[in-house]
Amino acid sequence: DQQVKQNSPSLSVQEGRISILNCDYTNSMFDYFLWYKKYPAEGPTFLISISSIKDKNEDGRFTVFLNKSAKHLSLHIVPSQPGDSAVYFCAASDRGSNYKLTFGKGTLLTVNP
Amino acid sequence: SAVISQKPSRDICQRGTSLTIQCQVDSQVTMMFWYRQQPGQSLTLIATANQGSEATYESGFVIDKFPISRPNLTFSTLTVSNMSPEDSSIYLCSVSTATEAFFGQGTRLTVV
Repeated sequence: DQQVKQNSPSLSVQEGRISILNCDYTNSMFDYFLWYKKYPAEGPTFLISISSIKDKNEDGRFTVFLNKSAKHLSLHIVPSQPGDSAVYFCAASDRGSNYKLTFGKGTLLTVNP
Repeated sequence: SAVISQKPSRDICQRGTSLTIQCQVDSQVTMMFWYRQQPGQSLTLIATANQGSEATYESGFVIDKFPISRPNLTFSTLTVSNMSPEDSSIYLCSVSTATEAFFGQGTRLTVV
């Protein structure tokens, strides 16, 4: 049973446009959500996170939105740049599990020049 | 933040053999996590390594197959034992705070 789902395996956008990456979760105990970016042959790097008490968090070109009632979060990247091309993982954790992360399968974002 | 050095970065191993992966953190941390990413799959937690106690394994993972050491607060090893081609994956170590997690570069293991 996959508790964190990224239903789009890939996404392609034009440089300068908005990229929207989506993530759904099933476990209502999750209280923290994170997005990671992963380039080939590298470990995941942290991008942005959001606590369940918020519905939006913004950091530069990256904004994460959380809709708790729908158990849905999304990552917006605007404007998208070719260097953003990578696999993006959504992850969730809850304090009760000592902050172990549960990951989605990832979405491959390709930003075309 | 934390910087994690993981090695080897990749290896090709014969089936039936074992490989030990090392992780060094630049600061003291209570818990370290070991993940596996099989091709086309998400990162899956193997076990949580606490210093001074036995590692806690997730469902589907056992100590005999993935023994873990945690001799101090900055270092841990994961051994993949009696390897088969199904163990071909990327293995990652990680440390977590309340708000983010940091990962090593990963070990790409191919079992032939």
